[in-house]
Amino acid sequence: KQEVTQIPAALSVPEGENLVLNCSFTDSAIYNLQWFRQDPGKGLTSLLLIQSSQREQTSGRLNASLDKSSGRSTLYIAASQPGDSATYLCAVTGNFNKFYFGSGTKLNVKP
Amino acid sequence: DAGVIQSPRHEVTEMGQEVTLRCKPISGHNSLFWYRQTMMRGLELLIYFNNNVPIDDSGMPEDRFSAKMPNASFSTLKIQPSEPRDSAVYFCASTLGTSGSNEQFFGPGTRLTVL
Repeated sequence: KQEVTQIPAALSVPEGENLVLNCSFTDSAIYNLQWFRQDPGKGLTSLLLIQSSQREQTSGRLNASLDKSSGRSTLYIAASQPGDSATYLCAVTGNFNKFYFGSGTKLNVKP
Repeated sequence: DAGVIQSPRHEVTEMGQEVTLRCKPISGHNSLFWYRQTMMRGLELLIYFNNNVPIDDSGMPEDRFSAKMPNASFSTLKIQPSEPRDSAVYFCASTLGTSGSNEQFFGPGTRLTVL
C-alpha cells in the first residue's frame, strides 16, 4: 500500500526566508503528484500538479520537483511571506485515480 | 464555474441521528471523491465514483456509511446512525478522467459534530 510521508510536520521561519518542504512516497508507480495548501477551517487549494513524466513545475514563488525513482518531491517557497502560513499537503495518484495524502507540514511565517 | 459545492457547511447532530451530506461536482468532471479529515487520522479517502458508478469503497469505515451518485451533478454521503467518533470534516472532490493525470479540486467541506 502506498505510504506518503511529509517532513517536517511543522516549520516556523522568519519572513523573507526561502524554505523547502519534503514529501516521500513508497511506491514509485504513480500517475502524478499534487501539492495542496489548506488554511485553518478551509478546504484544500491545489498549488501545483506534476505529472509522472515531469521533473518540476513552477508557479510564482513556488517550485515543486519530482524524483519518481527515489520516491521524493520537494516544494520550494521563495521569499516567504506571512500569507504563506498554512498547512501544505502532498498527494500522489495511483491506480484508478486513487489519491494518497501525506499528513501535511504546518508552516508559520513570522512577520 | 463555482467549483465543487458542498452542503451543509456545518452540521451538529445527536448520536443516533441520520446525517446526509451533499456534493455537487464541477460541471463536466466525471470522477467524484469523498474524504474525511480528522486530527488523528489526517485525510482519508472514503469512496470514489467514476461516471456515477462506485469504483472503490474500501475506505468506507462501516455499514453505517453509504454513498450514492444518482447523476453526474449530485452525490450524497449518508451516516445512519451517527456516532460521536464520526465527528470530522468531510470533503468532496472532483476531477476529469480516470487516468490519474488530472488535477483534483476540493469543496469547502462539511464540518460534522455528533454529540
